[in-house]
Amino acid sequence: QVQVVQSGAEVKKPGASVKVSCKTSGYTFTSFHLSWVRQAPGRGLEWLGWTSPYNGNTIYAEKYQGRLTLTTDTSTTTAYMELRSLRSDDTAVYYCARPGAGSAFDYWGQGTLVTVSS
Amino acid sequence: EVVLTQSPASLSVSPGESATLSCRASRSVGSSLAWYQQKPGQAPRLLIYLASARATGIPARFSGSGSGTEFTLTITSLQSEDFAIYYCQQYNDWPRTFGQGTTVDIK
Repeated sequence: QVQVVQSGAEVKKPGASVKVSCKTSGYTFTSFHLSWVRQAPGRGLEWLGWTSPYNGNTIYAEKYQGRLTLTTDTSTTTAYMELRSLRSDDTAVYYCARPGAGSAFDYWGQGTLVTVSS
Repeated sequence: EVVLTQSPASLSVSPGESATLSCRASRSVGSSLAWYQQKPGQAPRLLIYLASARATGIPARFSGSGSGTEFTLTITSLQSEDFAIYYCQQYNDWPRTFGQGTTVDIK
């Protein structure tokens, strides 16, 4: 069965970087792209970007261009999200999500809380 | 980007009643629209994709309709486990976007 397991919670200081991992299993890693979504406390869902494990292509939400890097490692079937120059308003739960039928996000990681605080 | 506007922002419903949630897109997304349910402390769960197709394991009391710019999620005979926040999301255009959510709570 498809499993998507993310790394644990992080606490970072403003200006630092964070790298969250998303370990997948139960399917052919290169056959499905992965998206990253975040949710600030008490807020809605925000799409951050997309990556293709097949060829490494990425698409980023414009507001994160230059600050966000999505990568994949096919040898470990793991995806990574790195966000740099962290600010307090980057405090959020970060999710990786994989589509199933029809390109909607059918499989989600459990979420990783990133807290940015001085 | 495509802006999705959900209405109402919140909805109070008695168990056993029905709920109708709306999602309006700022421009056509065809049928590339999904609905998700989210409960506190949990990741979102896919309910509906392609505007009207139920995801695996989703009960028949959940139904989606619409195309273009107007979409509806209907939940009939609400059960206790259905009280949650519901989000629509389009995957026709980049960037992918979500609506702001509709909270369905117990009346």
